[in-house]
Amino acid sequence: EVVLTQSPGTLSLSPGERAALSCRASQNFGSSNLAWYQQKPGQVPRLLIYGVSSRATGIPDRFSGSGSGTDFTLTISRLEPEDFAVYYCQQYGRSPPNFGGGTKVEIK
Amino acid sequence: EVQLLESGGNLVQPGESLRLSCTASGFTFSNYAMTWVRQAPGKGLEWVSAISGSDGGTYYADSVQGRFTISRDTSKNTLFLQMNSLRAEDTAVYYCVKCHSVTFWGGAFDIWGQGTMVTVSS
Repeated sequence: EVVLTQSPGTLSLSPGERAALSCRASQNFGSSNLAWYQQKPGQVPRLLIYGVSSRATGIPDRFSGSGSGTDFTLTISRLEPEDFAVYYCQQYGRSPPNFGGGTKVEIK
Repeated sequence: EVQLLESGGNLVQPGESLRLSCTASGFTFSNYAMTWVRQAPGKGLEWVSAISGSDGGTYYADSVQGRFTISRDTSKNTLFLQMNSLRAEDTAVYYCVKCHSVTFWGGAFDIWGQGTMVTVSS
């Protein structure tokens, strides 16, 4: 089983700042099969990034994904008020298609 | 507009059964894999089960293997999750989710339903 470790657990930043969220896999899983999801309190998760770096429909370009092998990063170039949420990475190349434990981006 | 609408969540006792349904609209149901993901209160996301759009192949998390059964009725654009021998640790919001591809492997989870709450408690 591929274990995804997200860090930090909580990121405290101000609007306008840049956020970098890490997702590290315990083993290779087919390097392009990595996605990121955003979940706001009381809301449904939303796909942000798939295939490591492709933005889903309607996702603003301040969100970008990068990485390869076992190390991946979600970058939010300039935080908007609506970006404060929990972010999950997920691999969907090996069974089971696990999620990381999440990174909470909170307002500083 | 692509939509997924779950139903069937309820409060049940340990050992009982429950059947969740998910009605899809706005896309060709049989052309995509579908999956169930759950989220226990205050916790993260856990994949539960999936069904391939191409051949109807099914997949399960170890935690539900042998107790849960996923199925679909393509004539009614409906996905099901039959949950037997429910345990307290199955308590969660269950999301019906569309996959980004016809086969389960290689597709991210691109459209999520609103979720239905399952509570297992005596």
